[in-house]
Amino acid sequence: SQTIHQWPATLVQPVGSPLSLECTVEGTSNPNLYWYRQAAGRGLQLLFYSVGIGQISSEVPQNLSASRPQDRQFILSSKKLLLSDSGFYLCAWSLNSAPYEQYFGPGTRLTVT
Amino acid sequence: AQSVTQPDIHITVSEGASLELRCNYSYGATPYLFWYVQSPGQGLQLLLKYFSGDTLVQGIKGFEAEFKRSQSSFNLRKPSVHWSDAAEYFCAVAPLDSGAGSYQLTFGKGTKLSVIP
Repeated sequence: SQTIHQWPATLVQPVGSPLSLECTVEGTSNPNLYWYRQAAGRGLQLLFYSVGIGQISSEVPQNLSASRPQDRQFILSSKKLLLSDSGFYLCAWSLNSAPYEQYFGPGTRLTVT
Repeated sequence: AQSVTQPDIHITVSEGASLELRCNYSYGATPYLFWYVQSPGQGLQLLLKYFSGDTLVQGIKGFEAEFKRSQSSFNLRKPSVHWSDAAEYFCAVAPLDSGAGSYQLTFGKGTKLSVIP
């Protein structure tokens, strides 16, 4: 069966510091991968998605970037964090053949101070 | 643009009582429909999905949902709620025409369920 991991689980970072969040999927090959941000009371917002290694699509212009260096690894980064980057970041995966049936990881709680 | 409305921000029910969480969507055609559940500090777990066919869909943990095209609704139901069902529930939609190019699910803002023992 498939498993999705995210780390770290929680992170407290000062404004202006860099960020790197990692997501890995086990048990499947060539999945679609997604980064969402969940802000309190605002639902989930898709930030990036990837249909293959090195292929990244951005949904929202912002202070963040994503990379997919390996088939089942998805990384969310920032060079300089803003206070507004605080939130709960969720990684998800889906099969290529069923892109809307998305399965989520446990999430990373990011607090920018 | 498609949108999802969950009219109830917070619902409280007694353990053993029945539950119905409402979800309405706005979209030009029948979309894919999903319900997810999120426990505090956790990721989202897929409860059930509707793509086509029978409008009554069974999911995990004893949940079911009914798609009503005429009402643009996809309400989630459970006949008897357990204390462990206390969580936040999210309805989501996606366009049926996957040629849209983006794989974004549009989520409602969620309904928080509290269960009284």
